[in-house]
Amino acid sequence: NAGVTQTPKFQVLKTGQSMTLQCAQDMNHNSMYWYRQDPGMGLRLIYYSASEGTTDKGEVPNGYNVSRLNKREFSLRLESAAPSQTSVYFCASSVLSGGVNEQFFGPGTRLTVL
Amino acid sequence: GENVEQHPSTLSVQEGDSAVIKCTYSDSASNYFPWYKQELGKRPQLIIDIRSNVGEKKDQRIAVTLNKTAKHFSLHITETQPEDSAVYFCAAIYDKIIFGKGTRLHILP
Repeated sequence: NAGVTQTPKFQVLKTGQSMTLQCAQDMNHNSMYWYRQDPGMGLRLIYYSASEGTTDKGEVPNGYNVSRLNKREFSLRLESAAPSQTSVYFCASSVLSGGVNEQFFGPGTRLTVL
Repeated sequence: GENVEQHPSTLSVQEGDSAVIKCTYSDSASNYFPWYKQELGKRPQLIIDIRSNVGEKKDQRIAVTLNKTAKHFSLHITETQPEDSAVYFCAAIYDKIIFGKGTRLHILP
């Protein structure tokens, strides 16, 4: 099992450019998440998908869109990148079982917007 | 809105001593409280968790306690070792997951 995979690992964009961050999981989890991590700010939820075909906003959704392509894949799109979106982006997946919601994280994408 | 406060933001302890990190949460409906460890440049990984119907849970050198009335929970690491140096995040979950801002733990030789 690869677990949660993300591409790319690193990306540099210019202000106004667009890009899509890809995430896939092979653990048959229903729920998937996108977080951003900034120094001193912890992990902040951007969007999540509780099941295939559904998506919901998290704490910081502005400037982002998501697509739950199928049960395995959940992508994050930046339509017009801004320097404030410079961050490390983590995808995660989980399955709710017995009151436990353990998040499994991908390796992260380090994004710099110039 | 829902919030999780985590303290301290930085903690330095002598190798072999104990470390305690504390979190408080605002949503009384929260029923699951995981702790994640993140080493430099790596992804967060679950180290221990506790459900709201349990007051304490222990796994070797780490333990978590939960006080539902006061809405706070704590991570305890005993006999600290150099490999415990990392950033630790608490979280509270009901229908949403809210993370604390993290504690950078330094183990001093």
